[in-house]
Amino acid sequence: TQLLEQSPQFLSIQEGENLTVYCNSSSVFSSLQWYRQEPGEGPVLLVTVVTGGEVKKLKRLTFQFGDARKDSSLHITAAQPGDTGLYLCAGAGGGSYIPTFGRGTSLIVHP
Amino acid sequence: DAMVIQNPRYQVTQFGKPVTLSCSQTLNHNVMYWYQQKSSQAPKLLFHYYDKDFNNEADTPDNFQSRRPNTSFCFLDIRSPGLGDAAMYLCATSRVKGEETQYFGPGTRLLVL
Repeated sequence: TQLLEQSPQFLSIQEGENLTVYCNSSSVFSSLQWYRQEPGEGPVLLVTVVTGGEVKKLKRLTFQFGDARKDSSLHITAAQPGDTGLYLCAGAGGGSYIPTFGRGTSLIVHP
Repeated sequence: DAMVIQNPRYQVTQFGKPVTLSCSQTLNHNVMYWYQQKSSQAPKLLFHYYDKDFNNEADTPDNFQSRRPNTSFCFLDIRSPGLGDAAMYLCATSRVKGEETQYFGPGTRLLVL
């Protein structure tokens, strides 16, 4: 089983602040997915990163895949209350196509 | 819109009373998954199907069973729910085997009294 460590586990910030959350592993992944999950709902896919060193932008969200494809980060610029939620990373590798999930970063953005 | 649908959204059952959770998808995806998610934890994979090929995770309790009668539908049966089975149950799909991107339903919140 490939372990995905997410940090920080909890983050509480004010509207307008920037933040970065991390997803780290000792394993190499063929791809990594980031999801956002709101309370009482299922995870919603934000992005898939595939190539080492890849950077993808989704409005105020910037995703980066590490060069060695073992880690990823999510940076949010000027956070808004609507960004509140649980951010999950998931990845598969080692010949398995079944993704493993990290425990998530719980983000609260206060107005 | 193509989507993954779970019914019901909230399910209350009694200790030991069998319960079935439903999932349907209009995406025509080959792979379907069932996850259990407890508060502040990562989703835990229970089963997955590649088409009708059933795959059980080694640590999934025997109390949990699954059926996939056709491409669109998948069911999770909990034969004798215990208090520890109270959780959010998530259904997800992937287009084909080997594609790691998953599409999740809204989940069913199970409460065991």
